[in-house]
Amino acid sequence: NAGVMQNPRHLVRRRGQEARLRCSPMKGHSHVYWYRQLPEEGLKFMVYLQKENIIDESGMPKERFSAEFPKEGPSILRIQQVVRGDSAAYFCASSPRDNHQPQHFGDGTRLSIL
Amino acid sequence: QKEVEQNSGPLSVPEGAIASLNCTYSDRGSQSFFWYRQYSGKSPELIMFIYSNGDKEDGRFTAQLNKASQYVSLLIRDSQPSDSATYLCAVTVTGGGNKLTFGTGTQQKVEL
Repeated sequence: NAGVMQNPRHLVRRRGQEARLRCSPMKGHSHVYWYRQLPEEGLKFMVYLQKENIIDESGMPKERFSAEFPKEGPSILRIQQVVRGDSAAYFCASSPRDNHQPQHFGDGTRLSIL
Repeated sequence: QKEVEQNSGPLSVPEGAIASLNCTYSDRGSQSFFWYRQYSGKSPELIMFIYSNGDKEDGRFTAQLNKASQYVSLLIRDSQPSDSATYLCAVTVTGGGNKLTFGTGTQQKVEL
């Protein structure tokens, strides 16, 4: 499967726990984007990364949220001390370059907080 | 004013008819425009993208861009029940790099 791979597809956490969401971009893509879709709301940009660099994190909450895209391995979106309001679908997208090329989305991770 | 606006619908379209979905954007410097289709509980799927004024056709889909009016539309010819979905308009904005700003989407239902 050459598409954007996200795992897990579903993740259940209790309040106060940590959530780790993983994303492997499409083959040949070096730019990764994370978006969040709250129930009944639109997709909102969170963070844009290239290998080992955060390019734009303007959409990511300042506390509890972090993202990385290491030289080896998938991109990770990490949410510490989760709260009920973090329940959402988290989508990762990738593109080959950053000059306004189309982004292709993974299947998403549905995060549920008990 | 929202950066990207769409009519939330639902939009009802007879099978076989042409569906017209509209989107307006506020940033006059927006450069790239995308249409995604999202089925309930699924991820966004890229349908069309357009960068220049005018029309761009791909199969049953036509994207239309009018930068002077800050308006982009998607036409779907010969609508099928499988076209029933939410259609998301997205743009890249000036100084925003490649991040996408989405509208809230238009829900469309194709009826027999």
